[in-house]
Amino acid sequence: AQTVTQSQPEMSVQEAETVTLSCTYDTSENNYYLFWYKQPPSRQMILVIRQEAYKQQNATENRFSVNFQKAAKSFSLKISDSQLGDTAMYFCAFMSLARSYGKLTFGQGTILTVHP
Amino acid sequence: NAGVTQTPKFQVLKTGQSMTLQCAQDMNHNSMYWYRQDPGMGLRLIYYSASEGTTDKGEVPNGYNVSRLNKREFSLRLESAAPSQTSVYFCASSEAVGGYYGYTFGSGTRLTVV
Repeated sequence: AQTVTQSQPEMSVQEAETVTLSCTYDTSENNYYLFWYKQPPSRQMILVIRQEAYKQQNATENRFSVNFQKAAKSFSLKISDSQLGDTAMYFCAFMSLARSYGKLTFGQGTILTVHP
Repeated sequence: NAGVTQTPKFQVLKTGQSMTLQCAQDMNHNSMYWYRQDPGMGLRLIYYSASEGTTDKGEVPNGYNVSRLNKREFSLRLESAAPSQTSVYFCASSEAVGGYYGYTFGSGTRLTVV
């Protein structure tokens, strides 16, 4: 079974600065997806970014980028130019491509607070 | 708007009561899921339905039952609620495209069992 670990329960950052959220995972599989989801106080789950394990290039989406280290099983999220609207819970998640029917395994979550 | 609709949004139950959480999606997705979210534990899969007519246990199925009524609807039932089932429940649906399952989540149900 896969496990996903987020070791930072809470993080804070000043507006306009950069912050990195950590995630490690454990799997014996070679083909999978990794995700970062954002959950603001509204409770809605919002996909921030996804990474295919077979791609060596790190995914980027505007101010959000990842550092994917497949051998180390590490998948961190960097948020540049932090904005007040980035304040939320962030979840790292894993999806196997092997008969998983799209099941997601989530980490514990990191609460990010952006201060003005 | 297209998406996943969960009802109710909030519910308070007494220990031992039963209830059904409803979920419907209008995107013609084959797969549907129920997750629960607890502080410090992230979201954990309760049950899933890979396609209409099939259901399977996830990580934490004890105390729950599910019904995939048709392709659109996937309900979660608590037969005898316990305080340990106090949680936020999310329904989601997905469709596989080239091996990748694109998810849509509902807005969640906050359930309190007293």
